[in-house]
Amino acid sequence: EIVLTQSPGTLSLSPGERATLSCRASQSVSSSYLAWYQQKPGQAPRLLIYGASSRATGIPDRFSGSGSGTDFTLTISRLEPEDFAVYYCQQYGSSFTFGQGTKLEIK
Amino acid sequence: QVQLVQSGAEVKKPGASVKVSCKASGYTFTGYYMHWVRQAPGQGLEWMGWINPNSGGTNYAQKFQGRVTMTRDTSISTAYMELSRLRSDDTAVYYCARDSGHYYGSGSYLTGAGDYWGQGTLVTVSS
Repeated sequence: EIVLTQSPGTLSLSPGERATLSCRASQSVSSSYLAWYQQKPGQAPRLLIYGASSRATGIPDRFSGSGSGTDFTLTISRLEPEDFAVYYCQQYGSSFTFGQGTKLEIK
Repeated sequence: QVQLVQSGAEVKKPGASVKVSCKASGYTFTGYYMHWVRQAPGQGLEWMGWINPNSGGTNYAQKFQGRVTMTRDTSISTAYMELSRLRSDDTAVYYCARDSGHYYGSGSYLTGAGDYWGQGTLVTVSS
């Protein structure tokens, strides 16, 4: 099973700043089958990025994904107040596993 | 528009079973796999398995093998997840999520991420 490790566990930033979230896989993720989700309290996860770098429908272009192999990054270029949430990475190339999440909180 | 509407909250005793439904609308139900994912209170997301609504074929996470059964009723575009021999650590919100993959070639399917999610169903296991 591919284990995904997200860092940092918590990221404290201010609106307008740039956020960089990391997801590292225990083995290579085939064909960059890596997704990112955003989850707010009491809500279902929302797909942001699939295929490591493709934005899902309706996702603002301040969200971008990059990486391949075992190292992936979600970048939010300029944080808006509504971006403070928990973010999960998921690989779907070999079964399906999630990272443990990164909480993005207001500083 | 794509919608997944799940059944309501459940309270069960240890050892019992629970069956959660997920009614799909706004797309061809048999055209996309359906995943089930759960989230214990204050914890992360855990993938449980998927069902192919077209064939009824399933793929369960090893952790849930022998305790989970995923089924579907294509006549009402509804997927079901039944978990048996419930324990207190099964207390969680259970989500269905449509797979964003697609069929290609002569019936092969390439799985994708979860692009639409149900609202979640809280299952509480308590004596």
